[in-house]
Amino acid sequence: GEQVEQLPSILRVQEGSSASINCSYEDSASNYFPWYKQEPGENPKLIIDIRSNMERKQIQELIVLLDKKAKRFSLHITDTQPGDSAMYFCAANTGANTGKLTFGHGTILRVHP
Amino acid sequence: GPKVLQIPSHQIIDMGQMVTLNCDPVSNHLYFYWYKQILGQQMEFLVNFYNGKVMEKSKLFKDQFSVERPDGSYFTLKIQPTALEDSAVYFCASSPGTGRRGDTQYFGPGTRLLVL
Repeated sequence: GEQVEQLPSILRVQEGSSASINCSYEDSASNYFPWYKQEPGENPKLIIDIRSNMERKQIQELIVLLDKKAKRFSLHITDTQPGDSAMYFCAANTGANTGKLTFGHGTILRVHP
Repeated sequence: GPKVLQIPSHQIIDMGQMVTLNCDPVSNHLYFYWYKQILGQQMEFLVNFYNGKVMEKSKLFKDQFSVERPDGSYFTLKIQPTALEDSAVYFCASSPGTGRRGDTQYFGPGTRLLVL
């Protein structure tokens, strides 16, 4: 299969705390896992990605972890700010060798002051 | 970062009419994509395109859909005829095309299509 599951669908956290979003995938050939942030009425913007030759990647307050054996990957936002409030999508490249991305259903993150 | 442009930003048409969505990909990118997003849901892959050809298409890419990029101009998605269920935001994306899976895809601002 090519499904990508994403949880939770809604996440509410207090400013300054951490937020974690978890995804799982089915296609064992997937080797690229981007995360996109989408604000209302805007296009999805790539915030961080990880490839299968890595288990962990960090860009400032964003950390992504990849467990290839379990086919799971996750995004962790440390020290959340109100500006982090948005919809977040995980994705994986799936199917034939053409770069198609299959997205998770998205997580609405709300950071409360 | 790299910018993908889309024209128009909004389009309202009557069911049965034809519509063409235009995408201006990042200038040196070689792979182009269309994704469809219904309000509140995730982006869903429609089609990708390389070297003048459709590489892969999904079940959402109905017979009424077609894509082309004549002479390096806009990469277009044409829907003829349109149906009510075609109402959605259509995002174009492009990637550099190193030939391997896992190219970074950059998304345009989207065209909001409403079919009445």
